Amino acid sequence: DAGVTQTPRHEVAEKGQTIILKCEPVSGHNDLFWYRQTKIQGLELLSYFRSKSLMEDGGAFKDRFKAEMLNSSFSTLKIQPTEPKDSAVYLCASRGQGSSYEQYFGPGTRLTVL
Amino acid sequence: GQQVQQSPSSLVLQEGENAELQCNFSSTATQLQWFYQSPGGSLVSLLSNPSGTKHTGRLTSTTVTKERRSSLHISSSQTTDSGTYLCAIDQTGNTRKLIFGLGTTLQVQP
Repeated sequence: DAGVTQTPRHEVAEKGQTIILKCEPVSGHNDLFWYRQTKIQGLELLSYFRSKSLMEDGGAFKDRFKAEMLNSSFSTLKIQPTEPKDSAVYLCASRGQGSSYEQYFGPGTRLTVL
Repeated sequence: GQQVQQSPSSLVLQEGENAELQCNFSSTATQLQWFYQSPGGSLVSLLSNPSGTKHTGRLTSTTVTKERRSSLHISSSQTTDSGTYLCAIDQTGNTRKLIFGLGTTLQVQP
């Protein structure tokens, strides 16, 4: 079974650009999460979908960050416009139903904003 | 403040030594998960342990829910164990989202 896939693995953007990160969850998983990881803040939740419905949009990240899930097997995270402080690793994770609650993570996209 | 606190922040061991990693959390947790992240890599779930003691291979996790703490014991450490160990809790409620600690960076020297 394929795990969570993310593309691209690396992205370099100029300040002010729009970038779109992509994620494909594990087949059959209902929950999808987008996180940002930095050394100082650790992992911060950006968005959380359940069965394609947006359950949480990450509060402070609302203004320039927009996650969408058009179908159950594909999600995008758009950052518009990018700022240097957005440089981080962006991780996507999915989780199936059931009591285990375990999340499965993708390899991440390392974003550098110049 | 940080809802999930991990200690130590970093640890250096010689191969063969045991490691004890701690996780303390400030709110009730319905779930607790330990992850491993290799340098530059993604997160891999090691153990899901909301309460009690669980073993897998050389890993043992003990969670005392009432005291809001969990530990991860790595026995006979190997150089390939080097990386960051993250603790995450799933808060009581309907959102079921994970709150992560900042991690313990482990370096095992040959």
